[in-house]
Amino acid sequence: GQNIDQPTEMTATEGAIVQINCTYQTSGFNGLFWYQQHAGEAPTFLSYNVLDGLEEKGRFSSFLSRSKGYSYLLLKELQMKDSASYLCAVRDIRALDMRFGAGTRLTVKP
Amino acid sequence: ETGVTQTPRHLVMGMTNKKSLKCEQHLGHNAMYWYKQSAKKPLELMFVYSLEERVENNSVPSRFSPECPNSSHLFLHLHTLQPEDSALYLCASSQVASGGAGDTQYFGPGTRLTVL
Repeated sequence: GQNIDQPTEMTATEGAIVQINCTYQTSGFNGLFWYQQHAGEAPTFLSYNVLDGLEEKGRFSSFLSRSKGYSYLLLKELQMKDSASYLCAVRDIRALDMRFGAGTRLTVKP
Repeated sequence: ETGVTQTPRHLVMGMTNKKSLKCEQHLGHNAMYWYKQSAKKPLELMFVYSLEERVENNSVPSRFSPECPNSSHLFLHLHTLQPEDSALYLCASSQVASGGAGDTQYFGPGTRLTVL
């Protein structure tokens, strides 16, 4: 099975940097995804990691360590619009099977 | 329209009603998914259709019945639901077997369901 853990809530200041951690256990790892979900809206895809290391996409970066079952999402130069829930999801070796964490609700304050 | 669309966006129904949720994807994908999202809980995968065949059912109660007439449309038929079934129901689609990030799931806006 899969256990995916991430903090429930985080708060950060506009312009700052925040790191959202995700730890997972899986019997057959085949990729890790980060999604952003604003209240009342659909999750939107942010990043994908399948090999160890850092993937950078503008203000957002995602890191993966498969040996540690660990990932983080790094958000730089925070903006008020970044206030949202951030979902960590792990894909099983059966490509159709993806499990989500409960999400981290990030609040960005002025 | 582009992306993944869902109708209705909001639905209130009694426990004895029968209703259906509709999802349509305009991305040319070959797999579609139904998820349930309850407050403060992880997204729960309910059903998966790949190439129009149902390939997974995570022990969802029979009061939920999926239908996938073609690769672009997905329905969730609801009957005799319970109040605990109130949640956000999300549809997603992906292109399976392309490998890597090509299997990324893209979500619709969801249907907010309230069962009275």
